[in-house]
Amino acid sequence: DVKVTQSSRYLVKRTGEKVFLECVQDMDHENMFWYRQDPGLGLRLIYFSYDVKMKEKGDIPEGYSVSREKKERFSLILESASTNQTSMYLCASSLLTSGSSYEQYFGPGTRLTVT
Amino acid sequence: GQNIDQPTEMTATEGAIVQINCTYQTSGFNGLFWYQQHAGEAPTFLSYNVLDGLEEKGRFSSFLSRSKGYSYLLLKELQMKDSASYLCAVRDLESGGSYIPTFGRGTSLIVHP
Repeated sequence: DVKVTQSSRYLVKRTGEKVFLECVQDMDHENMFWYRQDPGLGLRLIYFSYDVKMKEKGDIPEGYSVSREKKERFSLILESASTNQTSMYLCASSLLTSGSSYEQYFGPGTRLTVT
Repeated sequence: GQNIDQPTEMTATEGAIVQINCTYQTSGFNGLFWYQQHAGEAPTFLSYNVLDGLEEKGRFSSFLSRSKGYSYLLLKELQMKDSASYLCAVRDLESGGSYIPTFGRGTSLIVHP
């Protein structure tokens, strides 16, 4: 069974703090993704990575950065947390897609509150 | 990019059949996914369509028409545990060559006795 784990289920941080969200997958997947999920807006892609040290911006990268130093680990960094970054953050992984049905596997999510 | 549209909320009765529609606009279509997400949990994969037609998997079926930019998820013999959000996601060939799925806003299905 594929397992995607995230470092925290719930996190409370103050405005201006640097925040690290960690994601680890154990199935040797090439692709990893970070999404945020907000009511009425659905899942929005922040960043994704298709290989170690590779990263691509998603639809809403502003205010975020990522790091992928090892294949199994993908970190999301909020350099200076703001209240509008209060959200549910979901990590996902998948095999490299090129016309195949490789679905994404999601972690349990981190509910981040910035006060 | 894609423009993915699905109803915000639907209600149905236990034991009934419900159809959740998804329409999309894309230039480099490369597959459509349906995911189920229970409240407070991660999305889980339900189905994948890349060719036209119906894919059946137990009580759940998914249909695709590429020419119409349309898909639906059909849930039969509804159970209370089917109350969840259903996410439609379309994979597109981005200009950079990466196949990245884009999600619709999800349809919240409420099943009542």
